[in-house]
Amino acid sequence: QKEVEQDPGPLSVPEGAIVSLNCTYSNSAFQYFMWYRQYSRKGPELLMYTYSSGNKEDGRFTAQVDKSSKYISLFIRDSQPSDSATYLCAMQDTGNQFYFGTGTSLTVIP
Amino acid sequence: ETGVTQTPRHLVMGMTNKKSLKCEQHLGHNAMYWYKQSAKKPLELMFVYSLEERVENNSVPSRFSPECPNSSHLFLHLHTLQPEDSALYLCASSQDRAGGLYGYTFGSGTRLTVV
Repeated sequence: QKEVEQDPGPLSVPEGAIVSLNCTYSNSAFQYFMWYRQYSRKGPELLMYTYSSGNKEDGRFTAQVDKSSKYISLFIRDSQPSDSATYLCAMQDTGNQFYFGTGTSLTVIP
Repeated sequence: ETGVTQTPRHLVMGMTNKKSLKCEQHLGHNAMYWYKQSAKKPLELMFVYSLEERVENNSVPSRFSPECPNSSHLFLHLHTLQPEDSALYLCASSQDRAGGLYGYTFGSGTRLTVV
């Protein structure tokens, strides 16, 4: 079983839609949860960082963590064509090891 | 451009060649990493350096040889590669080995093709 499971997509939505991206995990030792955005021909860039269950909001982006269900989500409101990218979830355990999902490819159609 | 610069951006090499990938970070970070990114696979950690000392080597074949001459520079020396080594090689840095509150800062990667 993979440490982190992420639906690879691809996901295609119209501009203005609400996007939901999800990851599940199996390791209870994960304590920090991140979302990275990777544009084509670029490296991943950190988008959101959380360490507790609940919601964290930053502009149009909301990161949600449910530790009891071992489930994290990233919501994008009012999606824009510039949001078209691959989104990677990442988790860090108590030993400072990072685990990445395979990434979800998102296309926002104008 | 991010604070982590990787060169070259693209590299095509034969299986008998020797080449090197270079990474430079301008962020004052103390930890640097090499990751391999292949299609439909999670990022694979290859090497970790903290304060210029290698602290982790995730069972990477010896045809990959890292070098960290100082806290700002990281190299990945390549020799006798196989076609399955074709991938995007990403360099990353972080404040310390723990990752800090800001996770990693990645470079744009080197797209390697082994022919």
